[in-house]
Amino acid sequence: QSVLTQPPSASGTPGQRVTISCSGSSSNIGSNTVNWYQQLPGTAPKLLIYVNNQRPSGVPDRFSGSKSGTSASLAISGLQSEDEADYYCAAWDDSLNGPVFGGGTKLTVL
Amino acid sequence: QVQLQESGPGLVKPSETLSLTCTVSGGSVSSGSYYWSWIRQPPGKGLEWIGYIYYSGSTNYNPSLKSRVSISVDTSKNQFSLKLSSVTAADTAVYYCARLAATRYYYMDVWGKGTTVTVSS
Repeated sequence: QSVLTQPPSASGTPGQRVTISCSGSSSNIGSNTVNWYQQLPGTAPKLLIYVNNQRPSGVPDRFSGSKSGTSASLAISGLQSEDEADYYCAAWDDSLNGPVFGGGTKLTVL
Repeated sequence: QVQLQESGPGLVKPSETLSLTCTVSGGSVSSGSYYWSWIRQPPGKGLEWIGYIYYSGSTNYNPSLKSRVSISVDTSKNQFSLKLSSVTAADTAVYYCARLAATRYYYMDVWGKGTTVTVSS
């Protein structure tokens, strides 16, 4: 049982916009910033979004993040086949004094 | 740029101790801006934070594993290590080391490629 809650799956067709939600509590998302990781099949997770809505160098601006209260969202616009991956949200948890993750969302590009 | 590489046995017997090392290149574990972390991912499942260490040696562990985990750092070798004792099949996973940025905000910005550890007799 993951501390942060994500839908297990999401899907969209090429060119579409999809969003993935992430729900937490006051000790994590409610009081800290949210990060998103992309895990392509058979590879290590890669930082996709940090501090709620910042993109590391090299991440296309098709990817965007937002946060409100104890929830966050990842949006992917102009969906491409190469976006098919698992996406994880994460946030610092003040009770744990460490990071917590969502269970992951498997994105399928139809 | 900073790269991390995990190393260690791919097969561990039940009740024994899992030992992994993460070697940091292109950067220093002695950087005061980062914690050095271990995360694992059981087959077909999500990510689980195991613990982290600061270059000074201070650590914090996931309470669910705290009684069995030890993380250490060797600044002379630019490495940090994980030991997990009394392993069972439930500890079978891909183990990742990662750099945890820890200035004003917290996020894992560099990850190793991961190493698969199977617990089996």
